[in-house]
Amino acid sequence: NAGVTQTPKFRVLKTGQSMTLLCAQDMNHEYMYWYRQDPGMGLRLIHYSVGEGTTAKGEVPDGYNVSRLKKQNFLLGLESAAPSQTSVYFCASSYYLNQPQHFGDGTRLSIL
Amino acid sequence: EDQVTQSPEALRLQEGESSSLNCSYTVSGLRGLFWYRQDPGKGPEFLFTLYSAGEEKEKERLKATLTKKESFLHITAPKPEDSATYLCAVTGNMLTFGGGTRLMVKP
Repeated sequence: NAGVTQTPKFRVLKTGQSMTLLCAQDMNHEYMYWYRQDPGMGLRLIHYSVGEGTTAKGEVPDGYNVSRLKKQNFLLGLESAAPSQTSVYFCASSYYLNQPQHFGDGTRLSIL
Repeated sequence: EDQVTQSPEALRLQEGESSSLNCSYTVSGLRGLFWYRQDPGKGPEFLFTLYSAGEEKEKERLKATLTKKESFLHITAPKPEDSATYLCAVTGNMLTFGGGTRLMVKP
């Protein structure tokens, strides 16, 4: 069972470049989430989705966009990367909001 | 606004030395409290869910308890392999995480 798979695992970008982080889950979960984890800040929710074709803003959505065209995939986009977006990004999924979330192993993103 | 505070930030124990980690929370309408374990370079791994005050869950050397304002993760006779960061999170309108407790168990 793959669970939640994130690609890529590492990436270095220059300021102003764009990229898309991919998340795939094979558990037929309805909910999917994108978090960023920074030292001293804990995990913070960027965007989430409650089902195919839906997206919603979390705590820190500025500078990011998301799409959920298929139930199993949730994409996180950075249109114009900034050094403040250097972080570790985690994708997660769950059946419902009050059910445990299953996390991927993260994407480590550095923006120079 | 939902808030979660974990203490201590870091805890060093000798193998076999039992202790507890604290998670204090404020949330409008608790739907669930979750404990996760996170190893370096990995994503959080689910440990327990607690839904109501008085509830307890156990798994090997770990036991989680819940009151109306806080949760404790008790670690009994820890081993070096229990070294990790332990995260607490609560679900109100959305999942809110605490900053975590980094546990180091020395042999």
